[in-house]
Amino acid sequence: KAGVTQTPRYLIKTRGQQVTLSCSPISGHRSVSWYQQTPGQGLQFLFEYFSETQRNKGNFPGRFSGRQFSNSRSEMNVSTLELGDSALYLCASSLAGGKMGTNEKLFFGSGTQLSVL
Amino acid sequence: AQKITQTQPGMFVQEKEAVTLDCTYDTSDQSYGLFWYKQPSSGEMIFLIYQGSYDEQNATEGRYSLNFQKARKSANLVISASQLGDSAMYFCAMREPLSNDYKLSFGAGTTVTVRA
Repeated sequence: KAGVTQTPRYLIKTRGQQVTLSCSPISGHRSVSWYQQTPGQGLQFLFEYFSETQRNKGNFPGRFSGRQFSNSRSEMNVSTLELGDSALYLCASSLAGGKMGTNEKLFFGSGTQLSVL
Repeated sequence: AQKITQTQPGMFVQEKEAVTLDCTYDTSDQSYGLFWYKQPSSGEMIFLIYQGSYDEQNATEGRYSLNFQKARKSANLVISASQLGDSAMYFCAMREPLSNDYKLSFGAGTTVTVRA
């Protein structure tokens, strides 16, 4: 069974540009979450989608947005890039249906390393 | 306030020895789940082990075991018989379905380097 696939693996952008990252979850997984990882802030939750609906959003500015398609694939978009947006963006999928139980584990992709110059 | 605290930024361990990674957490929920993930240099987060707040026994998965002390709010990971491939960053995480559903809260991580 294929794992979580994130594309592209690396991205270099300049300030002010926008970027779109893609995530294909494990087959059958309908929940997709996004996390930002930086050396200074660690792993921070961006948002979670289920059946094309955003169920939760972290404390990030409106420049960060996402969506999920009917096939559960997800994209996240960052507009007007800032230097501080340089990070590893990790996507994770899970089997979660309704409310997640305590044992709902996430399966992560290898991430997209975004560098903003 | 930090929900997950990992106080060891980095650790060195000799091959074939055991290593304990510390994790303390803070929650007012009665029902919660604790996870450990491994992140090698490739970037992918790999699930290692899970402990539920109501589980009476400590979780074990192969060479990984979790020393769960609920009253002290600690969930330390023990890796037995370390291997060179265990060199990676390790993250403790918590899920609180009631107050913070749909997300995991992660600690800052501990870098483990296994020496031959």
